[in-house]
Amino acid sequence: GAVVSQHPSWVICKSGTSVKIECRSLDFQATTMFWYRQFPKQSLMLMATSNEGSKATYEQGVEKDKFLINHASLTLSTLTVTSAHPEDSSFYICSARDITADSGNTIYFGEGSWLTVV
Amino acid sequence: GQNIDQPTEMTATEGAIVQINCTYQTSGFNGLFWYQQHAGEAPTFLSYNVLDGLEEKGRFSSFLSRSKGYSYLLLKELQMKDSASYLCAVMDSNYQLIWGAGTKLIIKP
Repeated sequence: GAVVSQHPSWVICKSGTSVKIECRSLDFQATTMFWYRQFPKQSLMLMATSNEGSKATYEQGVEKDKFLINHASLTLSTLTVTSAHPEDSSFYICSARDITADSGNTIYFGEGSWLTVV
Repeated sequence: GQNIDQPTEMTATEGAIVQINCTYQTSGFNGLFWYQQHAGEAPTFLSYNVLDGLEEKGRFSSFLSRSKGYSYLLLKELQMKDSASYLCAVMDSNYQLIWGAGTKLIIKP
């Protein structure tokens, strides 16, 4: 079964509103989580690296004030898309790094969240 | 439950051919993806199969058999830079991605 879970799977919001997507590691603690955006049949675009207890590290070109990331616990990171616009409509995927010795730093991916801004 | 299986690790020789298999059991099917991921980098899209058969793209080919719940990624003329993890992911009936654990491919000279 899934070890990283995203919620919601699907969300529709009105232009100008904010929407929050959660990423949870179910069976392990994750000090580091990653947020990606995926366009159809394209590579995952890394948006930011979320570090538990500290500020996220954003990739060049990603607006940190628009895509707010909070990693308040070792099992939960949230991505909030603020003042959403139709061009923010996309498939958002998170991943989490399992740093336990047995896992060998394995990264697990979430199921993804479809955001449609109308 | 939903499940994606692929080998944990494979080793191959530079210049050779390697086939990475992926079997899946999911609730519905809306396509199968293969990604390449180098350590510390985001996954790179390699292929997308939704119909049975072989899709060829340069040195990489991907095959799908929906009736068998089976896919493989074929890499030809292996180069050292092909050393990476290869991820198989299936999009289920809810358009959610179900991920395999990835296959670490080690290329030896």
